[in-house]
Amino acid sequence: KQEVTQIPAALSVPEGENLVLNCSFTDSAIYNLQWFRQDPGKGLTSLLLIQSSQREQTSGRLNASLDKSSGRSTLYIAASQPGDSATYLCAVLNTGNQFYFGTGTSLTVIP
Amino acid sequence: DTAVSQTPKYLVTQMGNDKSIKCEQNLGHDTMYWYKQDSKKFLKIMFSYNNKELIINETVPNRFSPKSPDKAHLNLHINSLELGDSAVYFCASSQLGTGLSGNTIYFGEGSWLTVV
Repeated sequence: KQEVTQIPAALSVPEGENLVLNCSFTDSAIYNLQWFRQDPGKGLTSLLLIQSSQREQTSGRLNASLDKSSGRSTLYIAASQPGDSATYLCAVLNTGNQFYFGTGTSLTVIP
Repeated sequence: DTAVSQTPKYLVTQMGNDKSIKCEQNLGHDTMYWYKQDSKKFLKIMFSYNNKELIINETVPNRFSPKSPDKAHLNLHINSLELGDSAVYFCASSQLGTGLSGNTIYFGEGSWLTVV
């Protein structure tokens, strides 16, 4: 069964720093991997989607990479801002058509 | 115009009561889900319906019963509520089966259930 793990569970950085969030998965038979953001009291919002044939995707200050063979993905956030404070979750869509979510990283950016 | 909407957002109820959470999506998706998020933010799949048919039914107490009157709606009914049922319940939808590598999942804002 697919297991998705995120490290670290929590991260606190000063404003302006670049940071990396990690996601690992055990089964490489995936269609895609996504990174989501969850604000307190809200649902999940998709940030980036990397298809299984792709290596990375970029949106603004966010860059996500995917190494399917090693079961790893990273989310790089450049020049962090207080507004980036949220919980970040990664999810994989298995070839069995089921989404599996990671355990999440709670990010706090200190002004 | 909300894509996935669920009601109520907050629900406080006593042990032993029966309650329902409703979900509707206007995205034209075929697949809908119920997820439970615990206090550690872990999202666990409970049920998945495709075109009104149950396709995923994880190990969930049979006090939880999903109902899909049509493919745009998936409601969750919970009988005999227990303290451990307190959590956030998320409804979601997706369009699976075509362009699979580009498929994403859309979430509602969540329903905060507190059992006292």
